[in-house]
Amino acid sequence: GQQLNQSPQSMFIQEGEDVSMNCTSSSIFNTWLWYKQDPGEGPVLLIALYKAGELTSNGRLTAQFGITRKDSFLNISASIPSDVGIYFCAGQSGGGADGLTFGKGTHLIIQP
Amino acid sequence: DAGVTQSPTHLIKTRGQQVTLRCSPKSGHDTVSWYQQALGQGPQFIFQYYEEEERQRGNFPDRFSGHQFPNYSSELNVNALLLGDSALYLCASSGGPGREQYFGPGTRLTVT
Repeated sequence: GQQLNQSPQSMFIQEGEDVSMNCTSSSIFNTWLWYKQDPGEGPVLLIALYKAGELTSNGRLTAQFGITRKDSFLNISASIPSDVGIYFCAGQSGGGADGLTFGKGTHLIIQP
Repeated sequence: DAGVTQSPTHLIKTRGQQVTLRCSPKSGHDTVSWYQQALGQGPQFIFQYYEEEERQRGNFPDRFSGHQFPNYSSELNVNALLLGDSALYLCASSGGPGREQYFGPGTRLTVT
């Protein structure tokens, strides 16, 4: 099935650093969502974006809905150990096609 | 306020058997979507149920079927299991077909 292009695949960073990851698609989406998944658990919704150009924050997390509606970005500021996990982007077309299309994930590893 | 719940947590089946997985949506939600997540991959959309009907289907064969009950809970059935059906099966609920989806912890299915 279709998957979004998510990069980087993995990141090794120091505690306190800022993190950036992005997601691109060949298709337009009406909604972009970012999830975090810890081992053995289901994805947890972090941020939902509904409008092209929209910039939304949730604590240290900031995400943007790209102007072309084909991409999205997630930034994490001042990373802490509990930020470790796999981050997924997901696109939703809407208009009756509401199943989410996911990226392959960015695996974030933080070195103390 | 209970979130999305799924049962069972783990399941081991033999090739050719049939399996039924269950999902109870978050309180106040009426739409249930099912996803398959293979190891190291993002979730893949199977289908979505709303008003007790399959509303949208992803690229999965007819061996995958579902049902939604009047209380909005849902079942995923897989017939004639293949080794490749081994995965984490995730249920997500939302307060309407186009709203944000919240995931349960998943059911880990192993086919031997």
